[in-house]
Amino acid sequence: QVQLMQSGAEVKQPGSSVKVSCKASGGTFSSYTISWVRQAPGQGPEWMGGTIPIFNTSNYAQRFQDRLTITADESTGTAYMELTSLRSEDTAVYYCARLQLWTSFFDSWGQGTLVTVSS
Amino acid sequence: EIVLTQSPGTLSLSPGEKATLSCSASQTILSSHLAWYQQKPGQAPRLVMFGTSDRAIGIPDRFSGSGSGTDFTLTISRLEPEDFAVYYCQHYDDSTGTFGQGTKVEIK
Repeated sequence: QVQLMQSGAEVKQPGSSVKVSCKASGGTFSSYTISWVRQAPGQGPEWMGGTIPIFNTSNYAQRFQDRLTITADESTGTAYMELTSLRSEDTAVYYCARLQLWTSFFDSWGQGTLVTVSS
Repeated sequence: EIVLTQSPGTLSLSPGEKATLSCSASQTILSSHLAWYQQKPGQAPRLVMFGTSDRAIGIPDRFSGSGSGTDFTLTISRLEPEDFAVYYCQHYDDSTGTFGQGTKVEIK
């Protein structure tokens, strides 16, 4: 069974960037979309964007278009989420989540990575 | 952009009671594109229902889903202690996803 393992917690200064990784263990990214979902303290999940590794395409929620990059390395089974120009409102737990192609639900989630933006 | 609105914000119920959670979409969506998740403190969301009414692996049959068009419902027929959590509906289409703001099911 595929598990998604994320990199560890980060503390960042306002204006800096963060890059979080998500590695699939026990399987590959074939036939999947990897999305990134964040959850601010006490808030609901927010879909940020996703990538389809076998098609080498990514798409983003409009509000993140100008500062979010999602990539994937099929050879290592690892996806990445990089968010730039960080501000305090970006403090959240960031999750990667897997969605099978041509379905509409996330059947596997990473454990989450806490990103704290603070001066 | 589709907006999902969940109601109520909080449900206060006792074990054994029935829970009815609602999710309303800002425009008509395909039933196959609506899912529900359960989340407990400190954990990632867990898939409960997909395609409006299909239970995920390991989800007991006291959970059921229904709805079409813009209005969808997750029902828990008899609440067990492990069911008390926050539930989110979710839509995904055209490579874009969105979540509702959640309904907290708490012990009365």
